[in-house]
Amino acid sequence: KQEVTQIPAALSVPEGENLVLNCSFTDSAIYNLQWFRQDPGKGLTSLLLIQSSQREQTSGRLNASLDKSSGRSTLYIAASQPGDSATYLCAVRQAGNTGKLIFGQGTTLQVKP
Amino acid sequence: DGGITQSPKYLFRKEGQNVTLSCEQNLNHDAMYWYRQDPGQGLRLIYYSQIVNDFQKGDIAEGYSVSREKKESFPLTVTSAQKNPTAFYLCASSIFVDQPQHFGDGTRLSIL
Repeated sequence: KQEVTQIPAALSVPEGENLVLNCSFTDSAIYNLQWFRQDPGKGLTSLLLIQSSQREQTSGRLNASLDKSSGRSTLYIAASQPGDSATYLCAVRQAGNTGKLIFGQGTTLQVKP
Repeated sequence: DGGITQSPKYLFRKEGQNVTLSCEQNLNHDAMYWYRQDPGQGLRLIYYSQIVNDFQKGDIAEGYSVSREKKESFPLTVTSAQKNPTAFYLCASSIFVDQPQHFGDGTRLSIL
């Protein structure tokens, strides 16, 4: 059974720092991996999606990497800003599974001015 | 604007009562999903639908029911059989089941 874990559960950094959020999964037979952002009391916004054949994806200050063999993904945020404060969730879609996403518990990030 | 609309934003349920959460999308997506989120937890799949008049159970379907009579609508009913319904409920849709999912803003359900 696939399990997705995100460590740490919470992170606080000063503005301007570069930071890395971690996501690990137990079954490497995935179709893709997706990173989401969730603001308090809101739904999820998709940030980056990495297909199983890809190693990384970039969007602006965000870079997500995928190492399927070791069951790990990282989300790198460059030059963090207070507006980056939110909960970040990763989710994997299993190979052969019809649309089902398996989510980690999330990392809550606070960027202090 | 195209998107997913969930209503109401807040909902209260009395003991023994069924309540229905609304989810409407105007993105012309075939697939729709319902997730439950508990504090400090990730999302867990309740039900999903790949196409009109078809739906499948997710990981935690007990105590819930759905219907998919129209492409744009996927309502979720929380029945009295769901003993711990207090949670944040999120609806999502995607063009097809293997495409990225887009989420609504959620409904927070509480027990009176």
